[in-house]
Amino acid sequence: NAGVTQTPKFRILKIGQSMTLQCTQDMNHNYMYWYRQDPGMGLKLIYYSVGAGITDKGEVPNGYNVSRSTTEDFPLRLELAAPSQTSVYFCASSYESFTIYFGEGSWLTVV
Amino acid sequence: TQLLEQSPQFLSIQEGENLTVYCNSSSVFSSLQWYRQEPGEGPVLLVTVVTGGEVKKLKRLTFQFGDARKDSSLHITAAQPGDTGLYLCAGPFYNQGGKLIFGQGTELSVKP
Repeated sequence: NAGVTQTPKFRILKIGQSMTLQCTQDMNHNYMYWYRQDPGMGLKLIYYSVGAGITDKGEVPNGYNVSRSTTEDFPLRLELAAPSQTSVYFCASSYESFTIYFGEGSWLTVV
Repeated sequence: TQLLEQSPQFLSIQEGENLTVYCNSSSVFSSLQWYRQEPGEGPVLLVTVVTGGEVKKLKRLTFQFGDARKDSSLHITAAQPGDTGLYLCAGPFYNQGGKLIFGQGTELSVKP
């Protein structure tokens, strides 16, 4: 049972570097999300998508980009990494807006 | 500004005690969800409450949705060390869905 798979699990970036967090789901969910989680701040929505070809900004989109070319994949791109982007990132998916299934998280440190 | 405010943010209790976690908003939500997250893992859905005044039970956990659908509570009876974790409430920001927002979480530690 794969569910939502995100890679890498851990990554250290230098300031100014770029990287892509990969996310794929095998549940044929139409909704996909990227959240970041910082201590004491809960989960903040970065971007979301309600279907292939459709993306929209969440609460904290600055510094990130996404694309949704297929139903299964929803990569998150960091173009110029900054220390403020040090966080745990969670990809998630759902059918419509209920019962969100989360990936296991990606720990990103920007130094 | 948090659209969903959880309290308390931290709770440390002894095994066997009861506790209540609150999730409050000034906005009306069509539904609210509660998730539990363990260290190193993603959140896992516990329950969804949809109707104002609704009460749902999951073993020793009791969830209630406020009559006005602006708040919810989670009550744990006779807490056990296995209940330790981060509890998050969440709700769809728009009735049409697409944006599920979360409270800041309640970190629960149950000591044996």
